[in-house]
This record gives sequence, C-alpha cells and structure tokens, in this order.
Amino acid sequence: DQQVKQNSPSLSVQEGRISILNCDYTNSMFDYFLWYKKYPAEGPTFLISISSIKDKNEDGRFTVFLNKSAKHLSLHIVPSQPGDSAVYFCAASFRDDKIIFGKGTRLHILP
Amino acid sequence: NAGVTQTPKFRVLKTGQSMTLLCAQDMNHEYMYWYRQDPGMGLRLIHYSVGEGTTAKGEVPDGYNVSRLKKQNFLLGLESAAPSQTSVYFCASSYADRGSQPQHFGDGTRLSIL
Repeated sequence: DQQVKQNSPSLSVQEGRISILNCDYTNSMFDYFLWYKKYPAEGPTFLISISSIKDKNEDGRFTVFLNKSAKHLSLHIVPSQPGDSAVYFCAASFRDDKIIFGKGTRLHILP
Repeated sequence: NAGVTQTPKFRVLKTGQSMTLLCAQDMNHEYMYWYRQDPGMGLRLIHYSVGEGTTAKGEVPDGYNVSRLKKQNFLLGLESAAPSQTSVYFCASSYADRGSQPQHFGDGTRLSIL
C-alpha cells in the first residue's frame, strides 16, 4: 500500500510559468515532508522540506504547501527555468522511522 | 568535497555471480542507506545502518547483505545475482535518521544481471 503517492508521472510547463507538483499521503502521523530533485545519471538532491506544524515553507523560487486535512502537499516553482527539468520525488517520515519516497514526477520545462 | 561516492558506476553480471557495491561518505554521518530505483517504483530501501558495526533490514532486503565495518563505508553485497536485481542502486547518508535531516545521495550504480 503506497503511503506517499505522486499521481502524475510527468508534467510539462512553459518556461517562466509556475510549475505545481502534487503529492498525497495516507499516514496522518507523518511529521516531516521533503522534496528531492533528480537529474539523469545523478543521485537525488534535497530541495526543500516542511514540518507538519507548518503549512508553508519558502526557499527562493521553491515553495512547499502542506494541507494536513487533505493529506496533500504541493511544490510550487516560480518562475520555472530550463534547469528545473528533472524528476521530483516527494518523501515523508514519522519521527525516527525511515523516509518513504513517492514514485516521482518528471517535470519538463518547455522553451 | 566528494560527499557520497559509489563504486562502481556500472556493472554487468551473469546470473549467479556475486559482487559488492561500495559506498563511501566523507561527511562523518552516522546513518547510511542503500536504495534501489526501478522504473515506476520510486526509491525503495534495501538495508540501512545507524552507526559503525550496525545494520538493519529495509523494505526489500531479500537477496542482499550489507556490512558497516568503518563509519565512512557501507557495502552492499549480492551473493547470487538474479535478473530481478537489475536496477539502479543508490547509497545515501545522513546526520540523523529523521525527516529534519535530509539524506545525501551518491550518483548511483547501474547494475544489469543477464
């Protein structure tokens, strides 16, 4: 049973526009949520995280929103740039338990 | 400023052969992890270690063994390779084992079992 779901395998966005990547989770006990970015032939790199006690965290062009009642989080990238083309993994953890990753969403930024 | 280094980057094995994947980190992290990534499956945890001399099973441990004899190294072994173990393997390390401490990943080892 998937506890972290990324239902969109891929997403295409025009350069300069907003990219919104979505993630749903089933375990209401998760207390930390993370986004990782992965380029081909490289390992995932940490992008941004949010604690369950917050509903928004911002870092430059990247903002993560958390809606606990809907068990939903989203990553907003504004404005989208060509270098943002990558696979984005949503992940969640509960206290000292292991991080659980979603299957990823491939983002294509179109010129 | 190496971070997490995985060796080798590519390998082709025949069914039944054995091999060891090496992961080295220079960040003095206590926690280390081995994941596999398969198409459409995301990252799945194979084994992990919470410190030198310790190992524990993750989500998909069968067919693999690990050792953490030194704090900076985490080895993943395949005793008798099977085609189902064809995958990209990622090693990661972190300061602590919780979501507030992001994991640092190596660039992966692409393994094909024929």
